[in-house]
Amino acid sequence: ETGVTQSPTHLIKTRGQQVTLRCSSQSGHNTVSWYQQALGQGPQFIFQYYREEENGRGNFPPRFSGLQFPNYSSELNVNALELDDSALYLCASSPGTSGGSYNEQFFGPGTRLTVL
Amino acid sequence: AQKITQTQPGMFVQEKEAVTLDCTYDTSDQSYGLFWYKQPSSGEMIFLIYQGSYDEQNATEGRYSLNFQKARKSANLVISASQLGDSAMYFCAMRDSSGSARQLTFGSGTQLTVLP
Repeated sequence: ETGVTQSPTHLIKTRGQQVTLRCSSQSGHNTVSWYQQALGQGPQFIFQYYREEENGRGNFPPRFSGLQFPNYSSELNVNALELDDSALYLCASSPGTSGGSYNEQFFGPGTRLTVL
Repeated sequence: AQKITQTQPGMFVQEKEAVTLDCTYDTSDQSYGLFWYKQPSSGEMIFLIYQGSYDEQNATEGRYSLNFQKARKSANLVISASQLGDSAMYFCAMRDSSGSARQLTFGSGTQLTVLP
């Protein structure tokens, strides 16, 4: 059983550019959540995809968008990059959105984005 | 709104000693889950332990235990017999029923350093 994978590992972009980050969920998991972790802070929820539909969104502007594919892998797209978008982007997969309070999220290694 | 507070930006502990990392939370829900994650410098979030709000006993996982005091809204992590490999960032997180995504809300983290 493979875990959550993310690509690329590191990325450097300039302000105003667009970026796409990718995440492959753990086998059997149909829910993918994306988090942004700025340096020295805890992760912040961006959005979640469940069975190819957006299932919830945090306090992020529309230039943060995503997709989920039939195999449950996911993309995070960020348009018009700003310097403050520099962060570690974490993807987490889970078996589903229902089932009580406990529904462990398995995190990938993250993509470190630097915006110059 | 849900909130997690970790008041210890950094902690030091001698190898083989026990250490307690503090976490307080705020939620209006009766049903919620509390998580602790370890984040080494590599960036990946590693799940350590979970406590459900209705669990009557404190959770334990090997050297990790969670000191859950519901009335005080605290969920401290206790690491016994610290090892050098325990040096990392530790995050407390909560999931409640707010929001359709049941996403995790993280604290700001505690940097633990284990001294030889």
